[in-house]
Amino acid sequence: DSGVTQTPKHLITATGQRVTLRCSPRSGDLSVYWYQQSLDQGLQFLIQYYNGEERAKGNILERFSAQQFPDLHSELNLSSLELGDSALYFCASSTGDVQETQYFGPGTRLLVL
Amino acid sequence: GENVEQHPSTLSVQEGDSAVIKCTYSDSASNYFPWYKQELGKGPQLIIDIRSNVGEKKDQRIAVTLNKTAKHFSLHITETQPEDSAVYFCAANGPGNEKLTFGTGTRLTIIP
Repeated sequence: DSGVTQTPKHLITATGQRVTLRCSPRSGDLSVYWYQQSLDQGLQFLIQYYNGEERAKGNILERFSAQQFPDLHSELNLSSLELGDSALYFCASSTGDVQETQYFGPGTRLLVL
Repeated sequence: GENVEQHPSTLSVQEGDSAVIKCTYSDSASNYFPWYKQELGKGPQLIIDIRSNVGEKKDQRIAVTLNKTAKHFSLHITETQPEDSAVYFCAANGPGNEKLTFGTGTRLTIIP
């Protein structure tokens, strides 16, 4: 158990809908990262937050947004969902220092029908 | 940006033999290289990492080597066991930040 929790574990929704994925980092970690894992794209970095502020952005679509709250949990919002958004979404956390380990949560499996 | 290539994509080895997975990276400023193991239905789990100030690191049956000049690093698993079967990912950080770029993964199968 990495200490990172994600909810829900599974999510099934329809095209055009909006969903929210939730992540709680390990105790003491200030940084949260979101990754998307699909069969043909591997693990892709989406966005990073550090102590409530956006720190780095990757290949995140404009339809997607995230935030980190004062208690350090984070939410990833996915809107106007398309079939191609079906994937595993992972959250990871770390202290936020360079070269520090990122610990991954168990993921949320999203299926868009 | 950083680009990480990983080979092979699949690897089958006899139980007890060694397995080697290789990765190359493009950004010479990268200085942190973790390896993750992902079992079916689970999140990636860190198994070993190396920072650019060392050339080799070992933890029991697992070792990682880093060649900064050639910009490649490798994972070595000795005395493989059935529970080593999983997908392994290498990664490299960006210069001066924590963003990780992952390789495409290696599916390792240990044959009993």
